Amino acid sequence: ELKVEQNPLFLSMQEGKNYTIYCNYSTTSDRLYWYRQDPGKSLESLFVLLSNGAVKQEGRLMASLDTKARLSTLHITAAVHDLSATYFCAVDSGGGADGLTFGKGTHLIIQP
Amino acid sequence: DAGVIQSPRHEVTEMGQEVTLRCKPISGHNSLFWYRQTMMRGLELLIYFNNNVPIDDSGMPEDRFSAKMPNASFSTLKIQPSEPRDSAVYFCASSLDFVGVNTEAFFGQGTRLTVV
Repeated sequence: ELKVEQNPLFLSMQEGKNYTIYCNYSTTSDRLYWYRQDPGKSLESLFVLLSNGAVKQEGRLMASLDTKARLSTLHITAAVHDLSATYFCAVDSGGGADGLTFGKGTHLIIQP
Repeated sequence: DAGVIQSPRHEVTEMGQEVTLRCKPISGHNSLFWYRQTMMRGLELLIYFNNNVPIDDSGMPEDRFSAKMPNASFSTLKIQPSEPRDSAVYFCASSLDFVGVNTEAFFGQGTRLTVV
């Protein structure tokens, strides 16, 4: 059974600071997704990482994937309040058998 | 495209009643997923379809839950009878494929179900 673990689950930080959210998964996969969810809203796709070493950047967010370590990171640079949300990583087991397995999410609060 | 469309957005029902949630996937997408989100359990995959055929329903919690996809543009998730512990947000998502490189899932706005 594929397990996806995120840490931290909760993070409060100040604007202007840098931080990294980690996503570990338990079985081989080369497809990982990051989503953002605002309170009471749906999940918005942020990044699609499809190979080992993949790195994607959008504004102050950068995601990377290391399939050998079964680890993805979401790095926040010079955080701003608008980035406050819950961030989920999701892993596709690759066999097409299980859909996406989500981590529990990281609840990020960025304080002015 | 308008994205994945779910209805209703909110549903409040009494215990024992039948509840039907509806989903219209993105046109051209071959895979459809039903997820449930709660504070305690996070996001759980309930069932998913590929080309209108149910592939894996092992996430469906009980026989009270059933899902259908009669055609490529419509799916339902039914709970009969509903119980208070079914209260959650139910998301429908679709993707182009469920194998290969086009497995990015796009989510609907969700249905917030409250069973009293």
